[in-house]
Amino acid sequence: GESVGLHLPTLSVQEGDNSIINCAYSNSASDYFIWYKQESGKGPQFIIDIRSNMDKRQGQRVTVLLNKTVKHLSLQIAATQPGDSAVYFCADPHNQAGTALIFGKGTTLSVSS
Amino acid sequence: ETGVTQSPTHLIKTRGQQVTLRCSSQSGHNTVSWYQQALGQGPQFIFQYYREEENGRGNFPPRFSGLQFPNYSSELNVNALELDDSALYLCASSLGGLDSGEQYFGPGTRLTVT
Repeated sequence: GESVGLHLPTLSVQEGDNSIINCAYSNSASDYFIWYKQESGKGPQFIIDIRSNMDKRQGQRVTVLLNKTVKHLSLQIAATQPGDSAVYFCADPHNQAGTALIFGKGTTLSVSS
Repeated sequence: ETGVTQSPTHLIKTRGQQVTLRCSSQSGHNTVSWYQQALGQGPQFIFQYYREEENGRGNFPPRFSGLQFPNYSSELNVNALELDDSALYLCASSLGGLDSGEQYFGPGTRLTVT
């Protein structure tokens, strides 16, 4: 079956550094991806999404890159802050409404001051 | 805060019992999706309700069932609880439709089965 997976379960960075979280997917027909952030004790929070007709999309301090050739996407966080510490998931909606999400296991980002 | 609420926040049940979890969707949203998140894992899609009808289901047995009400709030029912059902149960609401990608998640209900 289709899957999405993150390359590293944990990532530790210093405050102010840039963070890069990677994700691979298996379904070449996937055309829409979403990144979520989950803080301890909370539900996942939407960060940014990207459709397959784009290679790059930028938000506030975040950038998502999509490489359809190798079925890989990454989330880049600029000037990482302690408040960015959380578990990050990439998700692939497997229905057209984009509401039945397939999540990977997540990468835990730890930011030290 | 997303405006999606879930109750209860924590729950302890015994194997074999039944449980009902509740979710109130964000105002104006007509779609509710339920997810199970085991410790250290990503959320797993259970099913989705759109305008009171089940609109998709993940790989979960029939003892996981649900309802959506006219006000679009929803319930998740689990019968014959098993130890492996211990998890965080998340609901997410959205507006539905082909262009809706953003779901708003509630804080979850932590279910412990002993």
